[in-house]
Amino acid sequence: DQQVKQNSPSLSVQEGRISILNCDYTNSMFDYFLWYKKYPAEGPTFLISISSIKDKNEDGRFTVFLNKSAKHLSLHIVPSQPGDSAVYFCLDGNTDKLIFGTGTRLQVFP
Amino acid sequence: EAGVAQSPRYKIIEKRQSVAFWCNPISGHATLYWYQQILGQGPKLLIQFQNNGVVDDSQLPKDRFSAERLKGVDSTLKIQPAKLEDSAVYLCASSPGHGNSPLHFGNGTRLTVT
Repeated sequence: DQQVKQNSPSLSVQEGRISILNCDYTNSMFDYFLWYKKYPAEGPTFLISISSIKDKNEDGRFTVFLNKSAKHLSLHIVPSQPGDSAVYFCLDGNTDKLIFGTGTRLQVFP
Repeated sequence: EAGVAQSPRYKIIEKRQSVAFWCNPISGHATLYWYQQILGQGPKLLIQFQNNGVVDDSQLPKDRFSAERLKGVDSTLKIQPAKLEDSAVYLCASSPGHGNSPLHFGNGTRLTVT
């Protein structure tokens, strides 16, 4: 059973606006999460991570928020750009192998 | 730093034929992974190597799939015989194998079985 889940299969956002991708987890012992991004015809690439000692981690236009009480994390992209159009995966980073769900497909339109 | 190299990029075979994929990980990376990504799904782990030893092959269909990493560097994944449902992108990834170091993926081999 998927312990880290993205319930929105797709998201469409206008260029310049904020994209918010959501992720829920079930195991309160999880304390490290990763976001990967995947373009068509390419392998996934690491985007950003967050550890439970923080509730926020920022890297340029990308910020990940962690709400431990709700077992929820979200990735914010501000401002969104057409080049951000990709599939985004939220992953449990506590193991040495990545277990992927189906991700969220983000489409940023002009 | 050179990335993870995979070849071929594309392969088309008929069912019941054999096929092999090759992966050269980032230099010095001890851990190597093979993933299968079927259209519309996320990548699924097939096998994980630590140096030349298998750590996890629980999801590898061993009746037809095999993988090796004989010298602890590059790796091959073989399918024999292929089935239609093996059509997918096969992704190789590597990591240093310590701490929370992220996985680095190659661009994959797209296999079409007709």
